[in-house]
Amino acid sequence: KQEVTQIPAALSVPEGENLVLNCSFTDSAIYNLQWFRQDPGKGLTSLLLIQSSQREQTSGRLNASLDKSSGRSTLYIAASQPGDSATYLCAVGFMNYGGATNKLIFGTGTLLAVQP
Amino acid sequence: GAVVSQHPSWVICKSGTSVKIECRSLDFQATTMFWYRQFPKQSLMLMATSNEGSKATYEQGVEKDKFLINHASLTLSTLTVTSAHPEDSSFYICSASRGSGFGNGTRLTVT
Repeated sequence: KQEVTQIPAALSVPEGENLVLNCSFTDSAIYNLQWFRQDPGKGLTSLLLIQSSQREQTSGRLNASLDKSSGRSTLYIAASQPGDSATYLCAVGFMNYGGATNKLIFGTGTLLAVQP
Repeated sequence: GAVVSQHPSWVICKSGTSVKIECRSLDFQATTMFWYRQFPKQSLMLMATSNEGSKATYEQGVEKDKFLINHASLTLSTLTVTSAHPEDSSFYICSASRGSGFGNGTRLTVT
């Protein structure tokens, strides 16, 4: 059974700091890995999607890496801002039904607070 | 990513009643949709996979008779929480088959 774990569970940093969030998974036979942001009481915002054949993806101040062999992914946030405060979720994707769908297993989440 | 609309965004119901949540894929035909549940301060847990024109596939521990899923068209899946109880109070989120489009979620409170 695939298990996805994120550390730390919570993180508080002062504004401007660079930070790294970690995600580990037990089954390396994944299709892709995504990082999401969730604000309190809200739905999900997709941040970055890394296909299994890729090693990293970048979007603005965000950089996500993927190491399938070790079962790890990291999300790097540069020059953090108070607006980055949210819960960050990683999700590992598996293909079902002959490659037509993408089933996601979510990690436990990291609650980030960026102090102004 | 896919555009997914979920309705209602929140609902309060009395114990023993049933509640239906709709998930619509707006910009593509979704043969498969997924339903997740999120309890406070916890991550999303996959409940079931909704398959157009056939029975849903439920994850271990999820009662199929309590959480009825219907996927009658390529753009609509519904989740009905039957005989709701306070412990069913949660945040329910659906996603379309490609996994990149999520609804905004439904906050269910059972009193």
